Amino acid sequence: AQTVTQSQPEMSVQEAETVTLSCTYDTSESDYYLFWYKQPPSRQMILVIRQEAYKQQNATENRFSVNFQKAAKSFSLKISDSQLGDAAMYFCAYRYSGGGADGLTFGKGTHLIIQP
Amino acid sequence: DTAVSQTPKYLVTQMGNDKSIKCEQNLGHDTMYWYKQDSKKFLKIMFSYNNKELIINETVPNRFSPKSPDKAHLNLHINSLELGDSAVYFCASSQGWTTDTQYFGPGTRLTVL
Repeated sequence: AQTVTQSQPEMSVQEAETVTLSCTYDTSESDYYLFWYKQPPSRQMILVIRQEAYKQQNATENRFSVNFQKAAKSFSLKISDSQLGDAAMYFCAYRYSGGGADGLTFGKGTHLIIQP
Repeated sequence: DTAVSQTPKYLVTQMGNDKSIKCEQNLGHDTMYWYKQDSKKFLKIMFSYNNKELIINETVPNRFSPKSPDKAHLNLHINSLELGDSAVYFCASSQGWTTDTQYFGPGTRLTVL
């Protein structure tokens, strides 16, 4: 079974600085998707960025980018120019591209604090 | 224009009661899911469902049952509520089994006293 590990329960960064959240995963599949979701205090799960495993190019969405290392099974999220609104729980998630039973497999989350 | 909505947002009830949480999506998706987020914020899939198949995570007690009156709705029924059922429950949807992106509802915080 696949697993997702986020080794940083909490991270803190100064506003306007850059922070990187770590995620590693374990799977025997070669074709899958990886995601970062943001959960602010409002509780809503918001998709931040997604990566298709067959694509070598790292995904980017404005200030958010990933470093996807397929061989190392690593999928880190970099947030540039951190803003107060970035404060939230961040979850790394995996989904096998064949879909079906497993849904999304989530890591335990990283609580990101933005210091003004 | 909420894409995935859940009602109620908060639910407080006594042990032993039966309750339901409703979920509706207006995205035209044909696959819906229920996730449970425990007190430590860990999210875990409970059910995956489309009009052809229901897949149940083996760890989910049979007191939990999803019911889908149509493609746009997947309600969660819980019988004989227990203290350990207290959690946040999220509904999500996607277009098809193999589509990657799932869109989540706002969550329902269930508290069992």
